[in-house]
Amino acid sequence: DGGITQSPKYLFRKEGQNVTLSCEQNLNHDAMYWYRQDPGQGLRLIYYSQIVNDFQKGDIAEGYSVSREKKESFPLTVTSAQKNPTAFYLCASKNTGTNTGELFFGEGSRLTVL
Amino acid sequence: AQTVTQSQPEMSVQEAETVTLSCTYDTSENNYYLFWYKQPPSRQMILVIRQEAYKQQNATENRFSVNFQKAAKSFSLKISDSQLGDTAMYFCAFMNIMRFGAGTRLTVKP
Repeated sequence: DGGITQSPKYLFRKEGQNVTLSCEQNLNHDAMYWYRQDPGQGLRLIYYSQIVNDFQKGDIAEGYSVSREKKESFPLTVTSAQKNPTAFYLCASKNTGTNTGELFFGEGSRLTVL
Repeated sequence: AQTVTQSQPEMSVQEAETVTLSCTYDTSENNYYLFWYKQPPSRQMILVIRQEAYKQQNATENRFSVNFQKAAKSFSLKISDSQLGDTAMYFCAFMNIMRFGAGTRLTVKP
C-alpha cells in the first residue's frame, strides 16, 4: 500500500544529543513537509521541500535541519540547538501535479528529551 | 502575513446533535484551497472535507459540510448527527501556504 512511514514512533533523547527522524513515502509525491505539534498550538511548519535537492525553512526552523537527497525521503534532524525539542512530529507529502492540494500524513514521531 | 485562526479551543456536543466549528483566515490570494482535518486520539491526521475558493457551492461529505464565506474569509465546519467517533481534534488548514489553525478539541457526549 502507498503511504508515508515515519520512524521511530517514540524516541528518547538526552539533552545535547542530535537525533534524526525518518520520513519515507512511496506515493511518488514531489513535495514533503515537517510539522511540529505541541498542545494548544496546532501544527507548525518546520521545513518543506518542493523538489529533490531543495528545501525551505518554515515558521520554526531554528534548531532543525533537513536533507532531500531522494524523492522518497525527507529526514529531519533535531539538533542540540533546539531548546525545547519535546513534541510530536508529523511528516506529510503532497502531489504538486494535482489541484487538490491535499496533504497526506505519516503516523508521527513522539520525541521526549530526558 | 497569511494566518489561520480557530477561536474555539474546546467544544462539546451531545450525540446526534449538530455542532459548528469556526475558522477564519487571512490572505490576499484569490484562488486557494481550504481543508478540515480530524485528529483522533490515535493522532493520525484524517482529511474530513475540502473547499476550493473559486467554487461558490459549499462542500459536503455525508454528515460534514462547510459554510464558506469568501468575502468574510470564513470557513466553518458543521457536523450533523454527531457520533461518539467524531471526538477528536479538528484543524482548519489553508493549503496554499500549508498552514494550520491551532485546532478545536471536540468531545461528543453520549
